[in-house]
Amino acid sequence: EAGVTQFPSHSVIEKGQTVTLRCDPISGHDNLYWYRRVMGKEIKFLLHFVKESKQDESGMPNNRFLAERTGGTYSTLKVQPAELEDSGVYFCASSGDRGSGNTIYFGEGSWLTVV
Amino acid sequence: SQKIEQNSEALNIQEGKTATLTCNYTNYSPAYLQWYRQDPGRGPVFLLLIRENEKEKRKERLKVTFDTTLKQSLFHITASQPADSATYLCALSDTGRRALTFGSGTRLQVQP
Repeated sequence: EAGVTQFPSHSVIEKGQTVTLRCDPISGHDNLYWYRRVMGKEIKFLLHFVKESKQDESGMPNNRFLAERTGGTYSTLKVQPAELEDSGVYFCASSGDRGSGNTIYFGEGSWLTVV
Repeated sequence: SQKIEQNSEALNIQEGKTATLTCNYTNYSPAYLQWYRQDPGRGPVFLLLIRENEKEKRKERLKVTFDTTLKQSLFHITASQPADSATYLCALSDTGRRALTFGSGTRLQVQP
């Protein structure tokens, strides 16, 4: 069974440009999460989808970040325009629907460098 | 304010010994607490979950304890091996939320 896949694995963009990160969750997982780790900090929650609906977007830092999950399958996270402080690794994760405490599976991350 | 603390200093132990990692939290009411392993350049990998009404959970060489009075979880790896060398992350979720809050992690180095 394929795990959570993320694309691109690495991206280097200039300040002011746009980047779109993609996440394909494990097939059948209704819950999809985005997290990120910026330099020297802990992994922080960004948002949580249940199917195509945003269940919790309390961690989104500002309106330069837009997450979508059309059709309840894959998800994209767009950063527009990118700033230097957006550099870090963006993790996507997914889980099934057996209540709270379900195992969460993480992808390998998309490493973003804004220069 | 809410805080999760893990020992930021690396833990170095000899192969075969038991590694014990600590996770302390303040101002949370966690429904459950999870431990993850992370290798350099990789995503976190789930290891164990312990619920608020459980004192201890085991899986092979791993053991987790959860003391909601002390607001502390301990993570033990018995008979440690060099392959256990990695960063171990504690994460918890407040009651009613799926979002995980992570600690900064503790790096474990097992010497052969």
